[in-house]
Amino acid sequence: GAVVSQHPSWVICKSGTSVKIECRSLDFQATTMFWYRQFPKQSLMLMATSNEGSKATYEQGVEKDKFLINHASLTLSTLTVTSAHPEDSSFYICSARDLAGATYEQYFGPGTRLTVT
Amino acid sequence: QKEVEQNSGPLSVPEGAIASLNCTYSDRGSQSFFWYRQYSGKSPELIMSIYSNGDKEDGRFTAQLNKASQYVSLLIRDSQPSDSATYLCAVNDFGNEKLTFGTGTRLTIIP
Repeated sequence: GAVVSQHPSWVICKSGTSVKIECRSLDFQATTMFWYRQFPKQSLMLMATSNEGSKATYEQGVEKDKFLINHASLTLSTLTVTSAHPEDSSFYICSARDLAGATYEQYFGPGTRLTVT
Repeated sequence: QKEVEQNSGPLSVPEGAIASLNCTYSDRGSQSFFWYRQYSGKSPELIMSIYSNGDKEDGRFTAQLNKASQYVSLLIRDSQPSDSATYLCAVNDFGNEKLTFGTGTRLTIIP
């Protein structure tokens, strides 16, 4: 149980274009989904917290107009990187918390590796 | 600012030995504690969670929590080469869904 998927697993795009990443909880409903970014040899950096049906809460320093998050259902959240630039190249990982769970465990998706050329 | 501290390593342990990973946290209000394993190029995988003082065992893994001293540890018995990974400690406060992660300890099991 507690499986989270992400699509695509990797993507290469040209500078200035937009990229959408999907995060799905496959066998549970997620009250909250989280989006992280990880640069090589660095730890996870939380970008935003996403709740179904409401606006995402962004961490300090994360541009909400550049990283658009939509949490349309209890099993799907999307992250759109708008007008991507080479410095946005990173490993983007989502996680989800089980609606039915009484704990704060987060289950991570496999990640999406974005390369902007 | 809440902090979670881990020794970055690398920590090298012979195969079959016990690997001991430590984590300290600054916020006394922290309620839940997690250990994640992350292989190179992959996303983190939850391996242990612990909520009360003492030990919690799951197979070869034992998590230990001491809230008075504000530390949590992970012991891996009979270490295997497949245990070589970065181990992330994460904590959160009651009512706060966000996790605060440490920077991770890189563990290498030497055959």
